[in-house]
Amino acid sequence: NAGVTQTPKFRVLKTGQSMTLLCAQDMNHEYMYWYRQDPGMGLRLIHYSVGEGTTAKGEVPDGYNVSRLKKQNFLLGLESAAPSQTSVYFCASTPGGAGELFFGEGSRLTVL
Amino acid sequence: AQSVSQHNHHVILSEAASLELGCNYSYGGTVNLFWYVQYPGQHLQLLLKYFSGDPLVKGIKGFEAEFIKSKFSFNLRKPSVQWSDTAEYFCAVNAEYGNKLVFGAGTILRVKS
Repeated sequence: NAGVTQTPKFRVLKTGQSMTLLCAQDMNHEYMYWYRQDPGMGLRLIHYSVGEGTTAKGEVPDGYNVSRLKKQNFLLGLESAAPSQTSVYFCASTPGGAGELFFGEGSRLTVL
Repeated sequence: AQSVSQHNHHVILSEAASLELGCNYSYGGTVNLFWYVQYPGQHLQLLLKYFSGDPLVKGIKGFEAEFIKSKFSFNLRKPSVQWSDTAEYFCAVNAEYGNKLVFGAGTILRVKS
């Protein structure tokens, strides 16, 4: 039972490069989220989705794009990476919006 | 907008000491409340949650939390901590019918053996 799987787990980018983080869940959850975790700032919501084909902005959406073409996948894209995007990114999912989140193991991104 | 405040960013305790981590939130309506824990190098895991009913909630590993509506608080407690409780603890709030959790900044707990 995989739960929430994120790939890649680690990545180093140069400023200006692009990349995509993939989140896959096998629990048939409707809601999916992308958070970033930075020291002393907790988890901040980047984007989220309440169902296949939908996306919405969270607290810190600038510099990121997302897509939810399939219910089980939620992609986070960085079109032109900046050092300020160095962070640990967590994907999460939940059956309904007000309940417990199930988290992936995180993706550590470094932008040089 | 909702906000969540965690009072202490770093807490250091000796084994067997009692623990209380403070959490306050800003939303005035009905809320769902959570405490998550992140052990070193791991992802977040749910410790306990409150949706309704008894305001004293018991979670895993001997943790409990008390919801005090009048104080907009949801403090986490454990009577006797262990070295294995060393971790970062996050309080999170979701307003009724909301669709996203708002997290506090986290409290890093270090338990000395």
